[in-house]
Amino acid sequence: GDSVTQMEGPVTLSEEAFLTINCTYTATGYPSLFWYVQYPGEGLQLLLKATKADDKGSNKGFEATYRKETTSFHLEKGSVQVSDSAVYFCALSDRREGNNNDMRFGAGTRLTVKP
Amino acid sequence: EAQVTQNPRYLITVTGKKLTVTCSQNMNHEYMSWYRQDPGLGLRQIYYSMNVEVTDKGDVPEGYKVSRKEKRNFPLILESPSPNQTSLYFCASSLIDPGGHYGYTFGSGTRLTVV
Repeated sequence: GDSVTQMEGPVTLSEEAFLTINCTYTATGYPSLFWYVQYPGEGLQLLLKATKADDKGSNKGFEATYRKETTSFHLEKGSVQVSDSAVYFCALSDRREGNNNDMRFGAGTRLTVKP
Repeated sequence: EAQVTQNPRYLITVTGKKLTVTCSQNMNHEYMSWYRQDPGLGLRQIYYSMNVEVTDKGDVPEGYKVSRKEKRNFPLILESPSPNQTSLYFCASSLIDPGGHYGYTFGSGTRLTVV
């Protein structure tokens, strides 16, 4: 079945450092790919998405490019801030598998940014 | 404001005492789903619903029930809670899109402790 694998955390960075969180996927169809962010004590929020190969999703300075050849969707940000401290989840949705509106999530990567 | 509302946010209960966690969305979404989040396991789907009166099991349905009598509400019922159901629970909703392009909107979560 479909699955998502993302790098284990926790990740600790200093403010203004470059961030990469790796995400790879396995899917039988043509999935849409997502990054969600979970701030402390809150639910998950959609951060960005890409719906086809070579698409780049971007939001709040974060970017991720849908790479079909490497089945990857790595999250990047050029200069992180303390306020970016959160747990980040990579996810995929592959509706062609059936009628289930299913979203498959990675295990999450906790990011801590220190001043 | 478009949102998914869960109640309660925190709940401590005893083994075997029936409880219900409510979930309501105001976006006219067809699809609703319940997840539990456990350390190291990410998000696992409990039940989902494609529309009113249409529900189905997710990956970890044992010990849970749901109902979808109205489009906006999707309560999660634990008939006889056990300590292994101690977890953080999230309700989510979305439009249904055959291409899988829509992300989910999540509630703020319910932290349940069963003693």
